[in-house]
Amino acid sequence: GNSVTQMEGPVTLSEEAFLTINCTYTATGYPSLFWYVQYPGEGLQLLLKATKADDKGSNKGFEATYRKETTSFHLEKGSVQVSDSAVYFCALRRTSGTYKYIFGTGTRLKVLA
Amino acid sequence: NAGVTQTPKFRILKIGQSMTLQCTQDMNHNYMYWYRQDPGMGLKLIYYSVGAGITDKGEVPNGYNVSRSTTEDFPLRLELAAPSQTSVYFCASRAGTGDTGELFFGEGSRLTVL
Repeated sequence: GNSVTQMEGPVTLSEEAFLTINCTYTATGYPSLFWYVQYPGEGLQLLLKATKADDKGSNKGFEATYRKETTSFHLEKGSVQVSDSAVYFCALRRTSGTYKYIFGTGTRLKVLA
Repeated sequence: NAGVTQTPKFRILKIGQSMTLQCTQDMNHNYMYWYRQDPGMGLKLIYYSVGAGITDKGEVPNGYNVSRSTTEDFPLRLELAAPSQTSVYFCASRAGTGDTGELFFGEGSRLTVL
């Protein structure tokens, strides 16, 4: 079946450090891949997405590249800020049949000043 | 821009009580979803709907019911609350076929069953 595996948190970094949050997936065909972010007390909101192999999604300094050969969609940012402290969810959606999204368990990021 | 609105934001129930979580969206989206978020477990799909009058079960539907009489509203009903239903519930929507794939989430409803 379809699944998403994220690295466990929490991840604690100092401001301006480099961030990587790993995400790998299992799916048949060519799913669309997403990163969502959840700030404290809020719902999830889309951070970036990629819909086909080798696509790079980017937003707010975050990037992730759809790697079909390694079934991965790792999230990166070159220099994190305190305001990036949140929970990050990797997700996939099949492009046919089901209308369901599969979410990873989330990775909590804490950035210290 | 209201987007997806959920009520209530917080609720405490006693075992065996019933309640309805309300969800309304003003974006004319066809698809709507209910998820629950448990610590360390990510989001699990409870029910979803692809349009008014059409609903289907997700991964964890037991103990819940839904209806979709209008495009805007997708209430989630808990009939006999149990401690295992203590969770944060999120409603989400998306436009439909051919859309960007982005889900729009409400702010969540935190439910505690004692």
